[in-house]
Amino acid sequence: EVQLVESGGGLVQPGGSLRLSCAASGFTFSSYAMSWVRQAPGKGLEWVAGIRGGGDTIHYADSVKGRFTISRDNSKNTLYLEMNSLRAEDTAVYYCATHYGDYLNRFDSWGQGTLVTVSS
Amino acid sequence: EIVLTQSPGTLSLSPGERATLSCRASQSVSNNYLAWYQQKPGQAPRLLIYGASSRATGFPDRFSGSGSGTDFTLTISRLEPEDFAVYYCQQYGSLPRTFGQGTKVEIK
Repeated sequence: EVQLVESGGGLVQPGGSLRLSCAASGFTFSSYAMSWVRQAPGKGLEWVAGIRGGGDTIHYADSVKGRFTISRDNSKNTLYLEMNSLRAEDTAVYYCATHYGDYLNRFDSWGQGTLVTVSS
Repeated sequence: EIVLTQSPGTLSLSPGERATLSCRASQSVSNNYLAWYQQKPGQAPRLLIYGASSRATGFPDRFSGSGSGTDFTLTISRLEPEDFAVYYCQQYGSLPRTFGQGTKVEIK
């Protein structure tokens, strides 16, 4: 059974940084593309960033490009999201999600999410 | 960027009724790479339909997806109490991946 467990969320001041982690189990992590998707309170879903299994191909939403960095450690079955220069509009629940195979396609499985609050 | 517009924003129906949700894309979705997700309060989204019409594991056949190009539809033939939720469409034919704003199906 696929399990995705996010951690690292919390309260951070505007301009601050935070690193999210997503621990994966139940599948061959290195064979699957992964993404981060966020959801602001009471709002819809927004894809943030995605990375292929080998870590060689990465894409970002324009809203986070240059501020966020997605990465993965296949030896630890863990996905990361480094978030810098945080803004109030980055406040959201951040979900990690698997794709079908090694392409940034549909989001097959989701974690339970971790809340990031950017506020002074 | 492909913009997905879902309608209606809210659908108020009774159990047993038929629900028809629309998702319209600002440009053609290549290969009909269109997915639907169900999200219940306090839970993560769950993949429901992919490839516009293929049902994901665990969902009954009262859920069906159709459409192509720029117009897609999710149909729930007879609403069960557990089907009241928010439904999102998402395209994965081009980058960036984008979602519709969601349709809430609520109990009338």
